[in-house]
Amino acid sequence: GDSVTQMEGPVTLSEEAFLTINCTYTATGYPSLFWYVQYPGEGLQLLLKATKADDKGSNKGFEATYRKETTSFHLEKGSVQVSDSAVYFCALSEETSGSRLTFGEGTQLTVNP
Amino acid sequence: KAGVTQTPRYLIKTRGQQVTLSCSPISGHRSVSWYQQTPGQGLQFLFEYFSETQRNKGNFPGRFSGRQFSNSRSEMNVSTLELGDSALYLCASRKLTSTNTGELFFGEGSRLTVL
Repeated sequence: GDSVTQMEGPVTLSEEAFLTINCTYTATGYPSLFWYVQYPGEGLQLLLKATKADDKGSNKGFEATYRKETTSFHLEKGSVQVSDSAVYFCALSEETSGSRLTFGEGTQLTVNP
Repeated sequence: KAGVTQTPRYLIKTRGQQVTLSCSPISGHRSVSWYQQTPGQGLQFLFEYFSETQRNKGNFPGRFSGRQFSNSRSEMNVSTLELGDSALYLCASRKLTSTNTGELFFGEGSRLTVL
């Protein structure tokens, strides 16, 4: 079945540092890939998405590129802020799976001033 | 535009009891799905409803059930509660288009504690 693997966390960075959170996936078809973010005490919010190979999703300074050859969708940001502290989830959905997302374990990011 | 609203936000039950959670989707969103979030298992898909019909179901026992009403509001029910059912239950809605599969709008969740 489908699966998503994220780098082990938690991740602690200083403000303005470079962020990478690794995500790899296993899927039977041609999935769409997503990064969701969960701030403390809140539900998940869609951060960015990519629907086909070589697509780059971007939002709020975050970027991720759909790499079919390495089955990866790593999240990057050039300069993190304290307000980026949250849990980040990589996820995939197959073409016919509707609202059924397969999530990774989540990576807790803490950014210190 | 109002977001996804879940009630209650917090509740405490004892083993053997049952619980009903409610979700009001974003206006115009006809698909509602439910997820369970726990520290050990992460986020797991429970089921999806649209047009008052269950369209997809995750790998959960029959104690977990749901329904959707004609106004797209949804409820999920867990019967014969077990300690392991303690979790954050998240509802998500989606506006059905051919291209937005997986683009979900989540509520803040209902945190269930089973004692």
